[in-house]
Amino acid sequence: GAVVSQHPSWVICKSGTSVKIECRSLDFQATTMFWYRQFPKQSLMLMATSNEGSKATYEQGVEKDKFLINHASLTLSTLTVTSAHPEDSSFYICSAPLGGYTFGSGTRLTVV
Amino acid sequence: QQPVQSPQAVILREGEDAVINCSSSKALYSVHWYRQKHGEAPVFLMILLKGGEQKGHEKISASFNEKKQQSSLYLTASQLSYSGTYFCGTERTSGTYKYIFGTGTRLKVLA
Repeated sequence: GAVVSQHPSWVICKSGTSVKIECRSLDFQATTMFWYRQFPKQSLMLMATSNEGSKATYEQGVEKDKFLINHASLTLSTLTVTSAHPEDSSFYICSAPLGGYTFGSGTRLTVV
Repeated sequence: QQPVQSPQAVILREGEDAVINCSSSKALYSVHWYRQKHGEAPVFLMILLKGGEQKGHEKISASFNEKKQQSSLYLTASQLSYSGTYFCGTERTSGTYKYIFGTGTRLKVLA
């Protein structure tokens, strides 16, 4: 079945640095990718929707300049957390609308 | 607007039943149900598309009411493996297409 490969699975970074998270669609083309953030004991909150070849659509309250999304090809979407701070520590996960929505495995980001 | 789930949390003994509800103020195009274990991606359980639909597999089933504003997930004779957080998910097609999740229900099954 359809698979979305997400890397890295976890990352620890220093405050002020940037982190890039990749989601690759394997064996299918994803024109759309949803990016979510999940804090402990909370729901998955949609951050933005990336569309291949066009600008991402951000949800209200999500800083565009801080969370950079790029969807340069039909198989790769990336989320870059710029100038990360401890409050950005969270579980980030991507999803492609295919087969009941196919999820990446998630990335646990810890900013120290 | 995010669908609201109830209850927020439930604790069961093995073999007991549970019902999880997902409610929306507007009719939903469809509803998906997921189970998520801590630190993992959500696992798709089932999708309901039509008002009045009921479907299920093994001991987990779900329904979608006629107005398509409420869905319920039924867990019968719960097993330890059912523990996790359950989410309903739905598409928003008005304006920009997006996919959002309900508020979540934490389920704990005890031996």
